[in-house]
Amino acid sequence: AQSVTQLGSHVSVSEGALVLLRCNYSSSVPPYLFWYVQYPNQGLQLLLKYTSAATLVKGINGFEAEFKKSETSFHLTKPSAHMSDAAEYFCAADTGGTSYGKLTFGQGTILTVHP
Amino acid sequence: DAGVTQSPTHLIKTRGQQVTLRCSPKSGHDTVSWYQQALGQGPQFIFQYYEEEERQRGNFPDRFSGHQFPNYSSELNVNALLLGDSALYLCASSLYSGNTIYFGEGSWLTVV
Repeated sequence: AQSVTQLGSHVSVSEGALVLLRCNYSSSVPPYLFWYVQYPNQGLQLLLKYTSAATLVKGINGFEAEFKKSETSFHLTKPSAHMSDAAEYFCAADTGGTSYGKLTFGQGTILTVHP
Repeated sequence: DAGVTQSPTHLIKTRGQQVTLRCSPKSGHDTVSWYQQALGQGPQFIFQYYEEEERQRGNFPDRFSGHQFPNYSSELNVNALLLGDSALYLCASSLYSGNTIYFGEGSWLTVV
């Protein structure tokens, strides 16, 4: 069964510092991978997705993620954190095939940004 | 272009009652999925509807059921509510042939 692991339930950075949120997936077949952001009391907003076209994926708000098959990882980065980046981030995997849309989510990482 | 819309945004129910949540997918999308997000947890897949049929189902009991209408909108029904059903219920829409999934703002259900 597909599983997604996010290392670190809480990450704290200073404004302007590098953001690194870690995600590993378990599968013998690289799935489609996603990062979503959730602001307090809101739904999920898609940041970016990996669908095997390119290993480095650029998303919205300056975020990007690199797919590394050898490490079964899909870590999310942003060169310079902004106060508005404070939120909870979820990594998710979709095994695709004939039917998409069954996402398996990680437990989430809460990002705190300090002035 | 309207995104995924859900109603109601908040509701409180008593144990044993039944609840119906509603979702309208993003314009042009034909597939609706439902997720349950308990406090402090990641969302968990409940089921997916396409062409008015349940296509995939997660590990949820039969108390959870759904429906999709010809206009692609969907309902999630939960019977015999338990305290543990208290959660944010998220609707997601997509194209059945596509892999981009958009979420609504969710419906907060509190069972007392």
